[in-house]
Amino acid sequence: ELKVEQNPLFLSMQEGKNYTIYCNYSTTSDRLYWYRQDPGKSLESLFVLLSNGAVKQEGRLMASLDTKARLSTLHITAAVHDLSATYFCAVDMSGSSYGKLTFGQGTILTVHP
Amino acid sequence: NAGVTQTPKFRILKIGQSMTLQCAQDMNHNYMYWYRQDPGMGLKLIYYSVGAGITDKGEVPNGYNVSRSTTEDFPLRLELAAPSQTSVYFCATRDGPDTQYFGPGTRLTVL
Repeated sequence: ELKVEQNPLFLSMQEGKNYTIYCNYSTTSDRLYWYRQDPGKSLESLFVLLSNGAVKQEGRLMASLDTKARLSTLHITAAVHDLSATYFCAVDMSGSSYGKLTFGQGTILTVHP
Repeated sequence: NAGVTQTPKFRILKIGQSMTLQCAQDMNHNYMYWYRQDPGMGLKLIYYSVGAGITDKGEVPNGYNVSRSTTEDFPLRLELAAPSQTSVYFCATRDGPDTQYFGPGTRLTVL
């Protein structure tokens, strides 16, 4: 079964703190995507990770991919309130190039003053 | 350049009614997708298309049908709506192995 598991599912952080969201997946893949969703809105692409060891950074967010461990991390540095949102990882485990994504359940991040 | 557009934004259906959710893109992307998102959950793939005239099932295709007669449009048809189809529906497009671009969504309630 194709499964993508995120943890934690809920994350309450103080501004200025660091934290990591984990994304584990069940089958070999080297195509992993991170998205952000604000309440009632669509999904916004954050990162595309297409090889083992890939690391990408944008502002206070950094994503990495370890295909051997079937694990991706999204690290938050010095959180600010604007980062409050739901974060999804999605993995293409189809073995094809068709982009058939399996999504995690999402991590609801709330950043407090 | 409008990107991915979806209509309608909201719809309430009665059980047993049918409707078509529209999705259009102006980016000339070959790949298009339909997802549903149930409350508090991640997205699940309903159907996808790799080009005009080519469609295939995703993870949760039962109760839905699609067609792709042009590159631009990828409508999703619901026949005999059921309460279990209450969800937010997102259309997405992709060009190559890069990210998928999502439309604004259609919020559907079946009563």
